[in-house]
Amino acid sequence: EDQVTQSPEALRLQEGESSSLNCSYTVSGLRGLFWYRQDPGKGPEFLFTLYSAGEEKEKERLKATLTKKESFLHITAPKPEDSATYLCAVEAAGNKLTFGGGTRVLVKP
Amino acid sequence: EAQVTQNPRYLITVTGKKLTVTCSQNMNHEYMSWYRQDPGLGLRQIYYSMNVEVTDKGDVPEGYKVSRKEKRNFPLILESPSPNQTSLYFCATRTGRYGYTFGSGTRLTVV
Repeated sequence: EDQVTQSPEALRLQEGESSSLNCSYTVSGLRGLFWYRQDPGKGPEFLFTLYSAGEEKEKERLKATLTKKESFLHITAPKPEDSATYLCAVEAAGNKLTFGGGTRVLVKP
Repeated sequence: EAQVTQNPRYLITVTGKKLTVTCSQNMNHEYMSWYRQDPGLGLRQIYYSMNVEVTDKGDVPEGYKVSRKEKRNFPLILESPSPNQTSLYFCATRTGRYGYTFGSGTRLTVV
C-alpha cells in the first residue's frame, strides 16, 4: 500500500527564518511526486512536480528536492504570505494519487 | 489556463436526500477524480475516471457514485447521504507535467 508521511504537522516561523518540510514515501512504481499549497477552504494549488531522485525545482522562496525515499520543501527567508498548509502527494501507476497529511506553516512578522 | 469548476460551493442537506455535486473542466483532459478532505485524515480519493465511460474506485468509494458520459463533466452522486459524508470535496483533473488542477471545493454538511 502506498504511504506518504509529512513532518512536522505544524511549523511556526519568524519572518526570514528558513526551514524545511519533509515528505517520506513508500510507493510501488513512483510516477511523480507533487507539492501543493493549500489555503483554508480552498483547493490545493500546484507548486512542483519531481520525477526522479536528485531532481530539484525552485520557485521564489521555495525549493523542492527528491531522493528515493523522501522529498524536502525548503522555504528560504519566508514571508507571512507563505503561511499555508503544504501538501505532498505521490502518483503511482494508473494515476493513483496518495496524499500526506500536510504541514501547516505559520510565518509571523 | 486549466480550470476545474465545482458546484455548489456550500451545501447543507438532510440524511437520505439524494444530491449531485457537479464538476467540469475546460481543457479536454482525459483523467478526472474526486477527493474528500477531513481533519486528521487528509485528502482521500473517492473515484477516478481515465476517460469517457471509464470509472474506477479510489480509497473511499462507499456511499458514492460517479458518471463520465462526456469528457468535460464528472459529477459526484450521493444517493442516500449520511452524516459521515459531511466533508470538503474536491474534483481534480490531470494536467500533464504540471500535476493536477483542483476545483475550489464543495463543503457538504449532512444533518
